[in-house]
Amino acid sequence: GAGVSQSPSNKVTEKGKDVELRCDPISGHTALYWYRQSLGQGLEFLIYFQGNSAPDKSGLPSDRFSAERTGGSVSTLTIQRTQQEDSAVYLCASRLGLANEQFFGPGTRLTVL
Amino acid sequence: DAKTTQPPSMDCAEGRAANLPCNHSTISGNEYVYWYRQIHSQGPQYIIHGLKNNETNEMASLIITEDRKSSTLILPHATLRDTAVYYCIVSYSNTGNQFYFGTGTSLTVIP
Repeated sequence: GAGVSQSPSNKVTEKGKDVELRCDPISGHTALYWYRQSLGQGLEFLIYFQGNSAPDKSGLPSDRFSAERTGGSVSTLTIQRTQQEDSAVYLCASRLGLANEQFFGPGTRLTVL
Repeated sequence: DAKTTQPPSMDCAEGRAANLPCNHSTISGNEYVYWYRQIHSQGPQYIIHGLKNNETNEMASLIITEDRKSSTLILPHATLRDTAVYYCIVSYSNTGNQFYFGTGTSLTVIP
């Protein structure tokens, strides 16, 4: 596709369940980011992938959060044992190179009941 | 790790220029100034970025002061569709993770 896509667009889950959020970046973009945005707040950096380098996980809020990027393309953000405070919009962005702008997906709205 | 300061909200009359300020007094020589905006319920959209010189594209102009401690994003003829939250970010171009969005300026364009 022409842009960054994310799935699902909405996810409702029960506290304690695991969830997987998917991001399809723009083809050829070497950098991929995950952010979290709580209601009325700015974006919170979670994790960053650049090519084959080890990801920067410095923004992950706890060890319940993890992410993978397979084959330098699709990425999956996994949240284990979800908590109500995990409710937020999770945004993915990709970037052609570090001197270029980020292109954002539409986000996944996660609601933990 | 807030590197920028923006007013929380602004209004602008439709058709007039919207001037959105940003202070980044601790900016270092290698850091760029980026502007993004986020329309309700959408992902952020890139607008413009610059290092030292003023920049202009089809969306906006970016004016950076000579000391680089502040900048202004100018939307020359604001429309109702420009109502959004505007984020000013300073970041090195060669590191990927230093991208702090903060809470931005909520711009409301008034008919």
